[in-house]
Amino acid sequence: EAGVAQSPRYKIIEKRQSVAFWCNPISGHATLYWYQQILGQGPKLLIQFQNNGVVDDSQLPKDRFSAERLKGVDSTLKIQPAKLEDSAVYLCASSSRLAGVFRAAGELFFGEGSRLTVL
Amino acid sequence: QKEVEQNSGPLSVPEGAIASLNCTYSDRGSQSFFWYRQYSGKSPELIMFIYSNGDKEDGRFTAQLNKASQYVSLLIRDSQPSDSATYLCAVKGRGSTLGRLYFGRGTQLTVWP
Repeated sequence: EAGVAQSPRYKIIEKRQSVAFWCNPISGHATLYWYQQILGQGPKLLIQFQNNGVVDDSQLPKDRFSAERLKGVDSTLKIQPAKLEDSAVYLCASSSRLAGVFRAAGELFFGEGSRLTVL
Repeated sequence: QKEVEQNSGPLSVPEGAIASLNCTYSDRGSQSFFWYRQYSGKSPELIMFIYSNGDKEDGRFTAQLNKASQYVSLLIRDSQPSDSATYLCAVKGRGSTLGRLYFGRGTQLTVWP
């Protein structure tokens, strides 16, 4: 079974530029997450999709970050304009169980991540 | 904001020893707890989950949960150099945040031969 695919793996941009990250979840996984992991910290949820609908985007800086999941499969996370503090690894994860239906519905399968450096 | 705290580390143990990783959480009503392992430059992978008080064993790994003390731990017996990684404790949200995992900062473990 193929895992979660992400691209690009690495991206270096200057502040105020824009960047986009792509994620393809595990086939059949209805729930998709974007996490931000700053060096030395744990992952922080940015946005959660259930199929193509947004479940939780309360921690997404909406003035500069946007995400979409058209057709309920692939997803794109965009940052525009980027700031220095956006330097981080952006992790995409997917899961197959509906959030809240099963208590053990927390097994997230993560992609390799996209490392962003903003200069 | 849910808080998940982990002992800061780094933790260094000799091969064959028991490594003990600790985590506390702020939401007393939390029900589900997870331990992820993250190798340097890699993505996190789930190694244990627990939601009942007591111990849960899987091979060399034992997760312990004490809801009264809001404390969850991970024990690694017979530690191996391949266990060297950062271990992330995560707690599942409730109510309006159901589905969200709150992660701690992680504890870096080094097992030396």
